[in-house]
Amino acid sequence: SQQGEEDPQALSIQEGENATMNCSYKTSINNLQWYRQNSGRGLVHLILIRSNEREKHSGRLRVTLDTSKKSSSLLITASRAADTASYFCATATRGSQGNLIFGKGTKLSVKP
Amino acid sequence: DAGITQSPRHKVTETGTPVTLRCHQTENHRYMYWYRQDPGHGLRLIHYSYGVKDTDKGEVSDGYSVSRSKTEDFLLTLESATSSQTSVYFCAISERASGSSNEQFFGPGTRLTVL
Repeated sequence: SQQGEEDPQALSIQEGENATMNCSYKTSINNLQWYRQNSGRGLVHLILIRSNEREKHSGRLRVTLDTSKKSSSLLITASRAADTASYFCATATRGSQGNLIFGKGTKLSVKP
Repeated sequence: DAGITQSPRHKVTETGTPVTLRCHQTENHRYMYWYRQDPGHGLRLIHYSYGVKDTDKGEVSDGYSVSRSKTEDFLLTLESATSSQTSVYFCAISERASGSSNEQFFGPGTRLTVL
């Protein structure tokens, strides 16, 4: 069963604009992670936010977590054409042996 | 990139034939995972391993078996391939379990087509 659901499914923006993707989940989590997948490649870990954290930054990435609403958002600032990829949220639930449950992803297209 | 390789990278096979996919890591990570990725479904966990000879089922394990005889190798076997198993298969590894920094590192994927 799908835990995380990303929104929107697809997003098209111009270079230099900010991109915001959202993720909603259903059950209590230990942490929530965001991954990027370039076309035809494996997923790459971007950032992890723990359930007791509300916001985290890494370079041009900003992640927020609202456990009361069971939602997270990923903001990419000053986007570049190289940011074109699919972005997935993944949740780690308590006692899950390290297993992650992935959402279906948001496909981001950044036009030069 | 984390040292994860998958072989083969592409395979075309016929319905009813056995298929084995291999994942090899050089990171000495304890946890290994097999996922399949299909349009409209995202990534779904097939099986995972939490140590040598320790494996368990994931969300979509029917029709698949796994083995882990060494830390570095995790094999996924389709005993009798079906067209519904046409997919892209990803292996992943992680150092720790849930409750800690359990980010996963992914291999490049294997594209399997069952005719």
